[in-house]
Amino acid sequence: NAGVTQTPKFQVLKTGQSMTLQCAQDMNHEYMSWYRQDPGMGLRLIHYSVGAGITDQGEVPNGYNVSRSTTEDFPLRLLSAAPSQTSVYFCASSFGQAAVRAAQYFGPGTRLLVL
Amino acid sequence: KNQVEQSPQSLIILEGKNCTLQCNYTVSPFSNLRWYKQDTGRGPVSLTIMTFSENTKSNGRYTATLDADTKQSSLHITASQLSDSASYICVVIGYGGSQGNLIFGKGTKLSVKP
Repeated sequence: NAGVTQTPKFQVLKTGQSMTLQCAQDMNHEYMSWYRQDPGMGLRLIHYSVGAGITDQGEVPNGYNVSRSTTEDFPLRLLSAAPSQTSVYFCASSFGQAAVRAAQYFGPGTRLLVL
Repeated sequence: KNQVEQSPQSLIILEGKNCTLQCNYTVSPFSNLRWYKQDTGRGPVSLTIMTFSENTKSNGRYTATLDADTKQSSLHITASQLSDSASYICVVIGYGGSQGNLIFGKGTKLSVKP
């Protein structure tokens, strides 16, 4: 098992550009989430999905779109990049809901710099 | 407001020594509490998951304790190794929403020196 994989590892964008951060898992997990991690702050939830075709907003969804067409993949789209979106992005997956003790598995992260 | 506070923010210890990291929370209703280890440049990795009925959970040299009455948890690291240098994140899960309400602490950065 590769677990949770993310691509790219590092990306530099100019303000206004768009891009897609890729996330895939091979554990047949229903739940997948996107977080951002900024210096001096805890991880913050951007969007999450409880299964193929079902997505919902987290704490900081503005400027980001997601879709879940398959169980394995959960891409995160930046529509028009802004310097405030400079961050490290983590994708995570779990078999069930965190509230019932399902363990979350995190990917290695994507470092994004928006100039 | 649901919050998770970790202390200290950073800690430097010598290899072989023990240390204890603290986590206080105000999340309610409470489902479970997790400790993660995050190496520099990597994603968090789960160390322990505890519900309100569990007081202690061990994972090798890592031992987490939970006092649900005082809403405090600690992570004790025994006989530290250089590889323990990392950030340790406390996450408290509350009920609510379709995946639960996850509140992340800001983490404690541990440096183990030879």
